[in-house]
Amino acid sequence: NAGVTQTPKFQVLKTGQSMTLQCAQDMNHNSMYWYRQDPGMGLRLIYYSASEGTTDKGEVPNGYNVSRLNKREFSLRLESAAPSQTSVYFCASQPGQGNQPQHFGDGTRLSIL
Amino acid sequence: AQSVTQPDIHITVSEGASLELRCNYSYGATPYLFWYVQSPGQGLQLLLKYFSGDTLVQGIKGFEAEFKRSQSSFNLRKPSVHWSDAAEYFCAVASMNRDDKIIFGKGTRLHILP
Repeated sequence: NAGVTQTPKFQVLKTGQSMTLQCAQDMNHNSMYWYRQDPGMGLRLIYYSASEGTTDKGEVPNGYNVSRLNKREFSLRLESAAPSQTSVYFCASQPGQGNQPQHFGDGTRLSIL
Repeated sequence: AQSVTQPDIHITVSEGASLELRCNYSYGATPYLFWYVQSPGQGLQLLLKYFSGDTLVQGIKGFEAEFKRSQSSFNLRKPSVHWSDAAEYFCAVASMNRDDKIIFGKGTRLHILP
């Protein structure tokens, strides 16, 4: 099983450019999440989707938008990239309830110049 | 609201030595607890979880963790570490409320000396 697949794995952008990070899961999970990981900061939740058709802000949503295209796919968009958004982005999925384990993709390493 | 603290940012142990990574949580009721491992360049992988029952839980890769309610702790242990255990380890806590989200600690990076 592929689990959670993120594309691309690496990307370099210039300040002001836009970009969409893709995430797809094949486990029929209801909930999906986007995190960013920065040194010393752990994982910070950007947006999440508890079910198809719903999205909600997390801890650090500014500068990002999301789309839950269908049950499988949850994309993260940077409309105008800034150097502060240089980070490693992780997508995760979860069967349903908040207290169930999350399954993670391998991340997208994004650099904004 | 729940929270989780990993007091050690870095831990260094020799290969073959025993390991204990600390995790303390804050939550009013019995929490759901997790340990994840992140190898370089990869996502987080679930090592083990505690929901209820036996307070000593076994996980993958020879890891175990013990839930101690009196100390609000869920420390991760391994009797003998291998060089391949070098990674970052995250403790996480969730509540019984299905609307709450999992909260992750900031991680402990494990270094292994040959």
